[in-house]
Amino acid sequence: GEQVEQLPSILRVQEGSSASINCSYEDSASNYFPWYKQEPGENPKLIIDIRSNMERKQIQELIVLLDKKAKRFSLHITDTQPGDSAMYFCAASASSGSWQLIFGSGTQLTVMP
Amino acid sequence: EAAVTQSPRNKVAVTGGKVTLSCNQTNNHNNMYWYRQDTGHGLRLIHYSYGAGSTEKGDIPDGYKASRPSQENFSLILELATPSQTSVYFCASGDAGGSAETLYFGSGTRLTVL
Repeated sequence: GEQVEQLPSILRVQEGSSASINCSYEDSASNYFPWYKQEPGENPKLIIDIRSNMERKQIQELIVLLDKKAKRFSLHITDTQPGDSAMYFCAASASSGSWQLIFGSGTQLTVMP
Repeated sequence: EAAVTQSPRNKVAVTGGKVTLSCNQTNNHNNMYWYRQDTGHGLRLIHYSYGAGSTEKGDIPDGYKASRPSQENFSLILELATPSQTSVYFCASGDAGGSAETLYFGSGTRLTVL
């Protein structure tokens, strides 16, 4: 079935620097790409998403880029803070069935003071 | 914010035993999902439902059953639990049909099968 590859699995950055997480997908019909953040001991929560009719979306410090030709999308966190430390999951909608989300394997981000 | 409640929060079961994980949502969402989370695998879909009375197989349904007796409740059933089913299980509800659905997750159930 549809796969979403997410890299890196572990990411450590200095406070104030940028962090980037990359995902790739297989299904060219996928048209929705959300990002979920899971803080330690908590449930995943949607933080930003992008649809296939856009190439870039920004919400405050979060930037999402989508390259439909290459079937890649990425999350960039600018000016990272300790509160950004968490597990991040990318996802892509699957065109088979009812558009369930296929999640990547996650990136554990640690922001070091 | 959407409210999805899972019970129990933690469960220890024995191999071969029956386990039922429960999920309740108060948002009148049609879609509900069960995922398991394992290191290196992210969130994998086990079963999902479009509404009361409906259950569908996800990507890894083997060894699991699901039940959706009402709009609010969605259960995951392990008839014969195995150690490989030790994991953290998340229930979620979805706020819209189609391809741009936001999922609201419960707090998770940590299941250990001895």
